[in-house]
Amino acid sequence: RKEVEQDPGPFNVPEGATVAFNCTYSNSASQSFFWYRQDCRKEPKLLMSVYSSGNEDGRFTAQLNRASQYISLLIRDSKLSDSATYLCVVRSPTGNQFYFGTGTSLTVIP
Amino acid sequence: DAGVTQSPTHLIKTRGQQVTLRCSPISGHKSVSWYQQVLGQGPQFIFQYYEKEERGRGNFPDRFSARQFPNYSSELNVNALLLGDSALYLCASSLVGGANSPLHFGNGTRLTVT
Repeated sequence: RKEVEQDPGPFNVPEGATVAFNCTYSNSASQSFFWYRQDCRKEPKLLMSVYSSGNEDGRFTAQLNRASQYISLLIRDSKLSDSATYLCVVRSPTGNQFYFGTGTSLTVIP
Repeated sequence: DAGVTQSPTHLIKTRGQQVTLRCSPISGHKSVSWYQQVLGQGPQFIFQYYEKEERGRGNFPDRFSARQFPNYSSELNVNALLLGDSALYLCASSLVGGANSPLHFGNGTRLTVT
């Protein structure tokens, strides 16, 4: 079983739409969770950390459900510039390894 | 402040050759990790180094090796290159100790093996 699983999409949504990405992880001892954004042929960049109580950064909201080992990212009022691949990332309990999902592709259409 | 820097940006090698990739972490970051990303997949963990010691190793063959220098920069070496080694190689640095310390990536080295 993969450490992190994501729906690869693609998601094609109109501008202004709300879109949600989901991710599951296999190791219940994992403590740190992140969402990264990756543009085509570029390096991944940190979008936001995911905290147990859930957290919001502008149009982006991240949620963590430890019981279900499930992480989500909600993007409201999608912009053309949100088009990218979104990577769900889980840090190993030992802290020395980060596990990446395959990424979910988002295209925001005018 | 400079971010994570990697060199070279692009590299073309032939099968059987050897390659060395270089990385300088963000100032103050003592941990350096290497990841391989093939098209359509998420980054896969290769190594983590901290204080010049290997602290973690992913599921990669012994052809892959790395080291970290006293200034915390790092090199990734790949011997006997195979076509399947063609990928984007990403170096990332992070603070050690903070549970929520994320990885900060360099621009990557795109390796093509022909």
